[in-house]
Amino acid sequence: DTGVSQDPRHKITKRGQNVTFRCDPISEHNRLYWYRQTLGQGPEFLTYFQNEAQLEKSRLLSDRFSAERPKGSFSTLEIQRTEQGDSAMYLCASSLAPQGVDGYTFGSGTRLTVV
Amino acid sequence: DAKTTQPPSMDCAEGRAANLPCNHSTISGNEYVYWYRQIHSQGPQYIIHGLKNNETNEMASLIITEDRKSSTLILPHATLRDTAVYYCIVRVLMDSNYQLIWGAGTKLIIKP
Repeated sequence: DTGVSQDPRHKITKRGQNVTFRCDPISEHNRLYWYRQTLGQGPEFLTYFQNEAQLEKSRLLSDRFSAERPKGSFSTLEIQRTEQGDSAMYLCASSLAPQGVDGYTFGSGTRLTVV
Repeated sequence: DAKTTQPPSMDCAEGRAANLPCNHSTISGNEYVYWYRQIHSQGPQYIIHGLKNNETNEMASLIITEDRKSSTLILPHATLRDTAVYYCIVRVLMDSNYQLIWGAGTKLIIKP
């Protein structure tokens, strides 16, 4: 296992289109997190899964955003009707210990550009 | 809102110890301090975390003041590959779940 994988690394889309990102966590990690990071800022929490259950959603996660983790393994983040303000790096992280006590392992992120 | 304050940038000479300060004056008694770093175009990398006691691992040392209002991350022998943005983060309990609240970090540049 080489860590947390995210696909694609880069995505350019036209405003109004839908996009979907995938995250494959470390296989034995049952906790999975999505973050968004804009230029010059630290990551902002979006949502959190424990196994297949989505336990927490940030107010940043508008109705156009949806995340799933159907079998408790990989996760997808979909953005519908993209807007220019959605342009950011979308990061996925996973952890084994409760509440990430031992630190999260992050993927390299998906950089979204909405034109 | 971030619960930490860090200088926006710092320089350090290669081979020297890099000391990165962080203020977290509003930290609560059960809130951990975490440090991550992010090298350009990569995801954040976990470095170390602590609650009250000083901590050391293969990457760094974390010194937390007795009143817990500030801490210092020490990279003992900085190399050029340590150039990155370093984030000091407080783990807080929000809506029955712990979250890491990130600030803007310190851009550390290691110079040859």
